[in-house]
Amino acid sequence: QVQLMQSGAEVKKPGSSVKVSCTASGGTFSTYAISWVRQAPGPGLEWMGGIIPLFGTPNYAQKFQGRVTITTDESTSTAYMELTSLTSEDTAVYYCARASDSGTYYYFDYWGQGTLVTVSS
Amino acid sequence: EIVLTQSPATLSLSPGERATLSCRASQSVDSYLAWYQQKPGQAPRLLIYDASNRATGIPARFSGSGSRTDFTLTISSLEPEDFAVYYCQQRFHWPPITFGQGTRLEIK
Repeated sequence: QVQLMQSGAEVKKPGSSVKVSCTASGGTFSTYAISWVRQAPGPGLEWMGGIIPLFGTPNYAQKFQGRVTITTDESTSTAYMELTSLTSEDTAVYYCARASDSGTYYYFDYWGQGTLVTVSS
Repeated sequence: EIVLTQSPATLSLSPGERATLSCRASQSVDSYLAWYQQKPGQAPRLLIYDASNRATGIPARFSGSGSRTDFTLTISSLEPEDFAVYYCQQRFHWPPITFGQGTRLEIK
């Protein structure tokens, strides 16, 4: 059974950065895309970007280009999402999610438990 | 960017009733659409992919239909555990992968 375990909640100041980790277990890591999806307070899901560890080249939503960096460490089966220049509008729960098919980004069948990032002065 | 519009925003029904949720795309996404269920404090759960295929372990009361711009998620007979928020998601035109704004299914 695939499990995605995310790092703990963070409180950040406006203008700072946050880095969230997502460690996979129980399945193949390198060929399945890991995406990051955030959920601001209230309903609504927003895809930020993703990466297939084997290929190493991330894809980002244009909205986050220049502010987000997604990386992986295959030796520990961990994906990372770093978001810079934080504002209060970045306050959200950040999820990592694994693609349902190898080599694609298509749909998400395994999700982490979510990491709450609060941006407040 | 593909915009997905879900309707209604809130649907109030009783257990045992049939639920019909709609998702409309701003342009054709062929059949490349999924549905997710999210309960409070939990991550979303994949229900349907490629418009009409149930994901592993999803009960047969959940079904999806549609193509191009108009899609429907049907729950044939609501169970108490089905009351949640439902999202559609497209992967045809990406990046970005986009989600609808959600339909809240609540107990009447």
